[in-house]
Order: sequence, then structure tokens, then C-alpha cells
Amino acid sequence: KAGVTQTPRYLIKTRGQQVTLSCSPISGHRSVSWYQQTPGQGLQFLFEYFSETQRNKGNFPGRFSGRQFSNSRSEMNVSTLELGDSALYLCASSPDGNNSPLHFGNGTRLTVT
Amino acid sequence: QKEVEQDPGPLSVPEGAIVSLNCTYSNSAFQYFMWYRQYSRKGPELLMYTYSSGNKEDGRFTAQVDKSSKYISLFIRDSQPSDSATYLCAMGPRMDSNYQLIWGAGTKLIIKP
Repeated sequence: KAGVTQTPRYLIKTRGQQVTLSCSPISGHRSVSWYQQTPGQGLQFLFEYFSETQRNKGNFPGRFSGRQFSNSRSEMNVSTLELGDSALYLCASSPDGNNSPLHFGNGTRLTVT
Repeated sequence: QKEVEQDPGPLSVPEGAIVSLNCTYSNSAFQYFMWYRQYSRKGPELLMYTYSSGNKEDGRFTAQVDKSSKYISLFIRDSQPSDSATYLCAMGPRMDSNYQLIWGAGTKLIIKP
């Protein structure tokens, strides 16, 4: 079974631009969660999608948004990029998002200059 | 003060040594404790999880929870160079709420051949 796939692996953007990251979950997994990982900080939860609906949301500004498609693939968008948005963005899928472990992709490394 | 504290390391030990990795936490509501391993340029992968107090063993790995001290540990016996990675602890109040997990920043472990 293929794992969680995230594209692209690396991105370099300029302040003020916007960016879209993509995540393909494990086949059959309906929950997709997004996390931000920065040095010295634990993973910070951004949001979770289940059956095309945002089910849970973390404490991030509205510049961070996402969506999920009918095939469970998910995209995350960050608008008006700031230097502080530079981070590794991880996507995780699970069958239902609750009583099952998270399976992570290898992340998208975003650098904002 | 962070809800979950984890020494970032790096922790460098010789091959074959017993490794002890630890996290402390402040929220007494946490009942669900997990350890993830993250290799360089990879996403985290679940190693072990425990619910409430006690020990859990899986091969060379033992997870220990001391709720009275708000302290969790991961022990690795007969450490191998392939164990070199960053180890993340994560914890939450319930098993059915992945989105509520609080993550440690990770400890970088280096096993010297």
C-alpha cells in the first residue's frame, strides 16, 4: 500500500505570495490532518478534514486554509506569506482521524524569503 | 512554559548502549501518550503508544508513564546506528482526539558505531 504522498517536497517563495501544498492520503483513509513543524517547536496542528469537511481547526490565522476532495486528497493554502511561515508542513492521514494512529507524509519544506 | 517539554539534544551514545528519552508535561488531563520516530527528511512514524499509566514493551523499546510525576520515558535497549533519528513525544486527553495531541519538540539521538 502506498504511503502518504506530499508534493512538492521543497518550495521557495517570497513574502506576500501565496502557496498551495498537496497531500494524497493512504488509500481508504478518509481523514487528513495538516501540521506545521519548526525547529524547537513541537508539531502544531493546523486543521483536519474528513469526508470533504473541516472537522477540527488549530489556532492559526485565516491565511491558512485547506480543502479536501471527494477522493480524500487534500490541499493546503497559505496566502500573503510571512517569513515566519517558513517550516516543514506535514500531512497525516488515518482511517477516521480519531481512534487510529496518524500516518505522516515526508512533508513539504517551505522557505519564505 | 510549554505544556510538553523535551530536551532537544543531541544525545550521542555508543552502539549497544541503553538509551533513555524523556518528556515532562504539565496537564494532568493527559491520558494518552505516544512516541514517534522521525528520520532526517522523513515524516514521523508511530513507535509506541500507551494509555494512562504503566509500562509497555515492544522488542527493544519500552515506554513508561509516571503520571504522578508527569513524566514519560522511552527506553531503547541494544541501540543500533539505525536508531539514530529524532524522537517525538505526543500526548492528549483522550484516545479519540488526535487533533488535541500536544507534541514535544523532539530529541535528536545519535548512535555511534
